[in-house]
Amino acid sequence: AQKITQTQPGMFVQEKEAVTLDCTYDTSDPSYGLFWYKQPSSGEMIFLIYQGSYDQQNATEGRYSLNFQKARKSANLVISASQLGDSAMYFCAMRERGDYKLSFGAGTTVTVRA
Amino acid sequence: EAQVTQNPRYLITVTGKKLTVTCSQNMNHEYMSWYRQDPGLGLRQIYYSMNVEVTDKGDVPEGYKVSRKEKRNFPLILESPSPNQTSLYFCASSQPRFGTEAFFGQGTRLTVV
Repeated sequence: AQKITQTQPGMFVQEKEAVTLDCTYDTSDPSYGLFWYKQPSSGEMIFLIYQGSYDQQNATEGRYSLNFQKARKSANLVISASQLGDSAMYFCAMRERGDYKLSFGAGTTVTVRA
Repeated sequence: EAQVTQNPRYLITVTGKKLTVTCSQNMNHEYMSWYRQDPGLGLRQIYYSMNVEVTDKGDVPEGYKVSRKEKRNFPLILESPSPNQTSLYFCASSQPRFGTEAFFGQGTRLTVV
């Protein structure tokens, strides 16, 4: 069964605006971690932000914030004040405590327009 | 600089010709793994290693082999590559401590013709 679902294959956003990338997950493990990675056209995987299942507050890292809704099993990434350099593919991933594996979603391609 | 290094970055090969993709990390991480990335499927784990001489299958291990003789190195071996193994491959390493991110290599784009 798919553990991570990203329903938006592609999105366009205007420069300086905010964009929300959806991610829902499925797990029965009460202890898990959620990660977002960015993959620019050059191909490398860049870690952006992490949220633990027991964290009380939503994670933030600069212009990135994670809208964590545990009951709904969603972990949406919000990018504020989009820049042209934010154009990339974004992956949501989950790791359950009983496993070292990262389970990835299919990814969302973001294109920032000037 | 902390990094995971994969080689080669690009490889075109023919069906059945054995190849090895190398992976090395300089962060003394215990956990290493290999993923393949295919359009619409995200990244899927091929094999992983908890430590030296400890390896196990991930979600898509068929057609691949790995070894972990040293902590820093985790090569991926395709004994007899086939066209369905054409993909983008990533090596990753991390500490076993829960909540730490995985560090990824630059990726190896493999084409099997």
